[in-house]
Amino acid sequence: EAGVAQSPRYKIIEKRQSVAFWCNPISGHATLYWYQQILGQGPKLLIQFQNNGVVDDSQLPKDRFSAERLKGVDSTLKIQPAKLEDSAVYLCASSFQSTGELFFGEGSRLTVL
Amino acid sequence: DQQVKQNSPSLSVQEGRISILNCDYTNSMFDYFLWYKKYPAEGPTFLISISSIKDKNEDGRFTVFLNKSAKHLSLHIVPSQPGDSAVYFCAAAPSLGGTSYGKLTFGQGTILTVHP
Repeated sequence: EAGVAQSPRYKIIEKRQSVAFWCNPISGHATLYWYQQILGQGPKLLIQFQNNGVVDDSQLPKDRFSAERLKGVDSTLKIQPAKLEDSAVYLCASSFQSTGELFFGEGSRLTVL
Repeated sequence: DQQVKQNSPSLSVQEGRISILNCDYTNSMFDYFLWYKKYPAEGPTFLISISSIKDKNEDGRFTVFLNKSAKHLSLHIVPSQPGDSAVYFCAAAPSLGGTSYGKLTFGQGTILTVHP
């Protein structure tokens, strides 16, 4: 079974530029999550989707971050404009249902200069 | 406000000995607790979990203990193996059911090094 796929693995941008990350969850997983992991900290939930609807985006900085999950499959997380403090690993995770085990992708590492 | 804390950034043990990783939480609404393991350049992988109605859960070499009154949980690895060297994250969820399950609050992680 293929795991959660994320791209790009690494991205370096300058502040005020924009960036987008893509995630393809495990086939059949209805729930998709984006987590942000800053160096030295644990992952922090940014947004949770159930199919193509948003369940929780209370910790998403909506002035600069946006996410969508069209057709309830893959998802895109966008940051515009980026700030220095956005430097982190962005982890995508999926689960078969909201009560199931979370499977994480390898993450996308963002460096903002 | 850090609701889940792992106060030991790192732990070093000898192969074959016991590894004990600790985690404290402050939010009484947490009902379900998990440990994740993370190797470099990989995403976290689920290791073991425990519901608040239990005080112990075992899976092979891994045992998680929960002390609700102290708001403390620990992960025991016996015997420790070099392949266990990784970052271990403690996580908590408000409930097992509904859409809250995946809303995990993570600790900062503990780097475990197991020496041959």
